[in-house]
Amino acid sequence: AQSVTQPDIHITVSEGASLELRCNYSYGATPYLFWYVQSPGQGLQLLLKYFSGDTLVQGIKGFEAEFKRSQSSFNLRKPSVHWSDAAEYFCAVGTGNQFYFGTGTSLTVIP
Amino acid sequence: SQTIHQWPATLVQPVGSPLSLECTVEGTSNPNLYWYRQAAGRGLQLLFYSVGIGQISSEVPQNLSASRPQDRQFILSSKKLLLSDSGFYLCAWSTQGAFLANEKLFFGSGTQLSVL
Repeated sequence: AQSVTQPDIHITVSEGASLELRCNYSYGATPYLFWYVQSPGQGLQLLLKYFSGDTLVQGIKGFEAEFKRSQSSFNLRKPSVHWSDAAEYFCAVGTGNQFYFGTGTSLTVIP
Repeated sequence: SQTIHQWPATLVQPVGSPLSLECTVEGTSNPNLYWYRQAAGRGLQLLFYSVGIGQISSEVPQNLSASRPQDRQFILSSKKLLLSDSGFYLCAWSTQGAFLANEKLFFGSGTQLSVL
């Protein structure tokens, strides 16, 4: 069965520091991978997605993610975090008509 | 352009009362429709999805049900709410064959349900 694991429930970083959010998946075929962000009081917004090709994908708001098949991972990164990046981040796997989400990582940014 | 409407935004219901959350999509036809729930301290959980009118697939057995009476309308219901039904419910849509075409999931703004 498909599954998505985000091992970090909560992460705190200082503004300007680099960020990496981890995501591991379990799926028998080549997955379609997504990162979504949910800011307080708002709905979900797509940050980036991977379908095929270059394993390093660029997204909005300065985020990027790298697909590593050997590690079944799709970690999200940002070189310099801004206070407005504080939010809940979800990794997702898409298969056919269905999407499966991880449990989310809550990001706190301190001044 | 396509839009998705979900209502109400917040809802407080007593235990044992019925539930009806509605979601409609505009600007597209024959979408895939989804209901997700985000419970406190947990991630997003797929509850139901639909690929067409009257076609509902349930991912998690529970006291909730879903219906799709029209192409762009998706309803989440319960006859008797439980405390554990509290959470944030999200409706979403994607194009048919999403991964070959638009490859994207569009979310509504969500409904915060509190069962007391």
